[in-house]
Amino acid sequence: NAGVTQTPKFRVLKTGQSMTLLCAQDMNHEYMYWYRQDPGMGLRLIHYSVGEGTTAKGEVPDGYNVSRLKKQNFLLGLESAAPSQTSVYFCASRRGGELFFGEGSRLTVL
Amino acid sequence: RKEVEQDPGPFNVPEGATVAFNCTYSNSASQSFFWYRQDCRKEPKLLMSVYSSGNEDGRFTAQLNRASQYISLLIRDSKLSDSATYLCVVNMAAQSGGSYIPTFGRGTSLIVHP
Repeated sequence: NAGVTQTPKFRVLKTGQSMTLLCAQDMNHEYMYWYRQDPGMGLRLIHYSVGEGTTAKGEVPDGYNVSRLKKQNFLLGLESAAPSQTSVYFCASRRGGELFFGEGSRLTVL
Repeated sequence: RKEVEQDPGPFNVPEGATVAFNCTYSNSASQSFFWYRQDCRKEPKLLMSVYSSGNEDGRFTAQLNRASQYISLLIRDSKLSDSATYLCVVNMAAQSGGSYIPTFGRGTSLIVHP
């Protein structure tokens, strides 16, 4: 029972490089979220999706893009990485009130 | 001002102690409320939902006060294994309407020592 799977788990980028984080869930949940977590800041919402083909901006969307072409996948893209995007990224899906998280992706931008 | 506020702590308590955390939220239209637990460098996991009538799960008791817009978590008989960060989560109405956004507080750190 995989639940929510994030790939990659670790990545080091140089400023200006691009990359995509993949989130996959096998629970048939409609709602999916991308958060970032920085020391002392808690989890802040980047983008979210309420269903296949839909996306919306969260609290800190600048510098990120997302896509939800398939219900089970929610992709987070960084077109031109900046050191301020060094963070731990968590993907989650939601059933009712409960969030189910992936293990996180640790991204460092040099 | 964050929409969901928590005292970051750390709360440093001996085994067996009772400890309480509070969390305040700004949006009176918030729908539902939760406490999550996060261990160091791990993903958050649901600890318990919070209801207006209050609810209890073993040593843990959660309460909601809608009039004052705060929720609380009480841990009795603390164990070493309770050491973690406790995150308050409030489902707030999205500005676009039609859905609710899980909004996190910054978390409260608990350290239980022998």
